[in-house]
Amino acid sequence: DVQMTQSPSSVSASVGDRVTITCRASQGISSWLAWYQQKPGKAPKLLILAASSLQSGVPSRFSGSGSGTDFTLTISSLQPEDFATYYCQQTNSFPYTFGQGTKLEIK
Amino acid sequence: EVQLVESGGGLVQPGGSLRLSCAASGFTFSNSGMSWVRQAPRKGLECVSVISGSGGDTDYAHSVKGRFTISRDKSKNTLYLQMNSLRAEDTAVYYCARSAGGNFDYWGQGTLVTVSS
Repeated sequence: DVQMTQSPSSVSASVGDRVTITCRASQGISSWLAWYQQKPGKAPKLLILAASSLQSGVPSRFSGSGSGTDFTLTISSLQPEDFATYYCQQTNSFPYTFGQGTKLEIK
Repeated sequence: EVQLVESGGGLVQPGGSLRLSCAASGFTFSNSGMSWVRQAPRKGLECVSVISGSGGDTDYAHSVKGRFTISRDKSKNTLYLQMNSLRAEDTAVYYCARSAGGNFDYWGQGTLVTVSS
């Protein structure tokens, strides 16, 4: 199975900050990577697919990049509603594995 | 509007069985891959099973293979997960989600399964 490792596990930031979250795959997955946002008590929400394609309706302050084994999610200017937990997921091969999550907290 | 509504969760003893259902609406269910994703309390996400739009192809995480069975009823627009030989480590919120090439673009609200004596 492909192991997904996110860093950091948690990050504190302020409204307006630029934040980057990193995800590393244990083997090459081309661009088969998705990013999700999850708020407490809610289902995850798909933000980005195919490493860099923004899902419909997702604000443009979210962006993704990378290929192979190293990927990043960037939020260009944090808004209050962005404080949540973020997960990466490889969609290259089943089982579709997720990273352990990055909790984005208010500083 | 796409809606996925799970039901069937609850408290079950170790070794017991449970069947989860997910009622789908707002999209062409018969053409869509579907999945079950679970989240143990205060833990991350695990995709436990997927099924193709036709229902002919299924796959399972190692942790549930041989114990869980995914299925779908196109006449009822409903996805199922039959869970047998349940263990404490199966305790989680179970979400159904539409799968587009492994990308889970729509999710239900989740149903809690608790395995405990």
